[in-house]
Amino acid sequence: GNSVTQMEGPVTLSEEAFLTINCTYTATGYPSLFWYVQYPGEGLQLLLKATKADDKGSNKGFEATYRKETTSFHLEKGSVQVSDSAVYFCALDRRRALTFGSGTRLQVQP
Amino acid sequence: GAGVSQTPSNKVTEKGKYVELRCDPISGHTALYWYRQSLGQGPEFLIYFQGTGAADDSGLPNDRFFAVRPEGSVSTLKIQRTERGDSAVYLCASSSQGGTRGDNEQFFGPGTRLTVL
Repeated sequence: GNSVTQMEGPVTLSEEAFLTINCTYTATGYPSLFWYVQYPGEGLQLLLKATKADDKGSNKGFEATYRKETTSFHLEKGSVQVSDSAVYFCALDRRRALTFGSGTRLQVQP
Repeated sequence: GAGVSQTPSNKVTEKGKYVELRCDPISGHTALYWYRQSLGQGPEFLIYFQGTGAADDSGLPNDRFFAVRPEGSVSTLKIQRTERGDSAVYLCASSSQGGTRGDNEQFFGPGTRLTVL
């Protein structure tokens, strides 16, 4: 079946540090891939997406590249801010529904 | 514009009771999804509606769970004979069109936190 595996958190970084959150997936066919973010006290929001191999999704300084050969969709940001503190979820679509990873909590310290 | 809304925001009930959770999708969105999120986990798919019909209910854990969307807009998730293991945050999402790769951007509501004592 389809599944998503994310690195466990929490990830604690200082402001302006480089961020990588690893995500790998198992799926039949060629799913679309997503990163969702959940800020404290708020609902899930779509951060970025990629729909086919080698696509790069980007938003708010975050990037992720759809790597079919390694079945990965790692999230990166060159310089994190305190306001990026949140829980990040990697997800893939599965016949219209999303399959999520377990989430990675990011804490950015000033 | 208005996003997805869910009521109630919190629901506390006793084991064995019946509960209903409501979701109001974004106006005009034809696809509606229910997910369940346990503490420290990602959301898990329960059921997906396209219009009034349930297109995929493969995520419902057992026959105590049922959902309806009679007019293709508001949806209600119904849980009979609640158990302590049903305690979780129940999330609703909607999208403008279900199932199209790349266009399946789902907009999530704030969730209903269900606690079964």
